[in-house]
Amino acid sequence: GAGVSQSPRYKVAKRGQDVALRCDPISGHVSLFWYQQALGQGPEFLTYFQNEAQLDKSGLPSDRFFAERPEGSVSTLKIQRTQQEDSAVYLCASSPTLVSGQYFGPGTRLTVT
Amino acid sequence: KQEVTQIPAALSVPEGENLVLNCSFTDSAIYNLQWFRQDPGKGLTSLLLIQSSQREQTSGRLNASLDKSSGRSTLYIAASQPGDSATYLCAVRQEGQGAQKLVFGQGTRLTINP
Repeated sequence: GAGVSQSPRYKVAKRGQDVALRCDPISGHVSLFWYQQALGQGPEFLTYFQNEAQLDKSGLPSDRFFAERPEGSVSTLKIQRTQQEDSAVYLCASSPTLVSGQYFGPGTRLTVT
Repeated sequence: KQEVTQIPAALSVPEGENLVLNCSFTDSAIYNLQWFRQDPGKGLTSLLLIQSSQREQTSGRLNASLDKSSGRSTLYIAASQPGDSATYLCAVRQEGQGAQKLVFGQGTRLTINP
């Protein structure tokens, strides 16, 4: 079956621009996660949704970061007024249950110039 | 705060060798531990998932063990092949507050030389 998909795969933004990153989870997966991966590092948690409810946003680095999942399926991670330190790969994952593993998409590589 | 450490950071071995990658975590209150593979410029591919009640999982040439009480997991790769070259990441899913997120190690970059 189809896995987790993300778009765009690559995004170059000028400092100060707003960007929107999209995630399509595996059909039927109620849990959706966003992670940020800096070069040479492991992914770090940003935020988590259970259906449409954002239950944990403790990892969002600033109020410039905003995520939504209005219908409990597709999710969008928005970054306002991008800064160079936002350059990273943004990974989306979905999971069917609490005890299941997480399934990751290919990521969006964001470069802020 | 949960911290996950992977040793070594990088490993280079000749083809055909058996090898062990190590992962340690500071808080033993976990739901499960997952091993992933990441190829350059790609997302994460799940290799093995071990629930907290399990001791090990096997898939083909891969075997992962979990010692929850000591906060350790190992990934054993038998008869390594050049196609096994990638970065290997372990991650734990905690109990309690923040139970949904995965906490990752920094990975071991593995190179298998033909």
